[in-house]
Amino acid sequence: DGGITQSPKYLFRKEGQNVTLSCEQNLNHDAMYWYRQDPGQGLRLIYYSQIVNDFQKGDIAEGYSVSREKKESFPLTVTSAQKNPTAFYLCASRGQALYNEQFFGPGTRLTVL
Amino acid sequence: AQKITQTQPGMFVQEKEAVTLDCTYDTSDPSYGLFWYKQPSSGEMIFLIYQGSYDQQNATEGRYSLNFQKARKSANLVISASQLGDSAMYFCAMREHQTGANNLFFGTGTRLTVIP
Repeated sequence: DGGITQSPKYLFRKEGQNVTLSCEQNLNHDAMYWYRQDPGQGLRLIYYSQIVNDFQKGDIAEGYSVSREKKESFPLTVTSAQKNPTAFYLCASRGQALYNEQFFGPGTRLTVL
Repeated sequence: AQKITQTQPGMFVQEKEAVTLDCTYDTSDPSYGLFWYKQPSSGEMIFLIYQGSYDQQNATEGRYSLNFQKARKSANLVISASQLGDSAMYFCAMREHQTGANNLFFGTGTRLTVIP
């Protein structure tokens, strides 16, 4: 059945290492999004892509990079330049649903040691 | 300025009672949409209900309804007949249509606990 998958659910990395978070969708959605969630805060937009081979920075893009080579996939790389990378990362996609709402994956909890 | 404000960090409600979660928003865009999402402890965000700025009626979806007061810029979520499974974080979000980007701005959320 259709949905968004994010892997892994939990990820541990040493400080200074780059890490790539996976996001795959089989909903045939054009738009995809990456959000970061910190405790007691709402979701903040990192990057978004409205179409393959195109993406834009969100509100907190510094220290992150993305690619959109395939419609189904929108991986997020957390680079060593990101000063405080420990957080919960959520991927979402949007198609032609009734309200153009975004559908979310289960998230990846990244902990940098 | 915050685009979405949720002033209740936590709320408690007795099972089977109704509860209102507050949300106020700030925008100069005449065309916008308001969303409520539920986030259980598993982490996934679940879409609950939508209200468009030009909608004349308040939105309803089963036990969820949205009390939309445009002049006051508020979009409160009402959950009727609360169930234990309603315990979760609830986020209000807004999409401004003028930008064309369809991005969402989220509030900080309200943690709802349903008491048996």
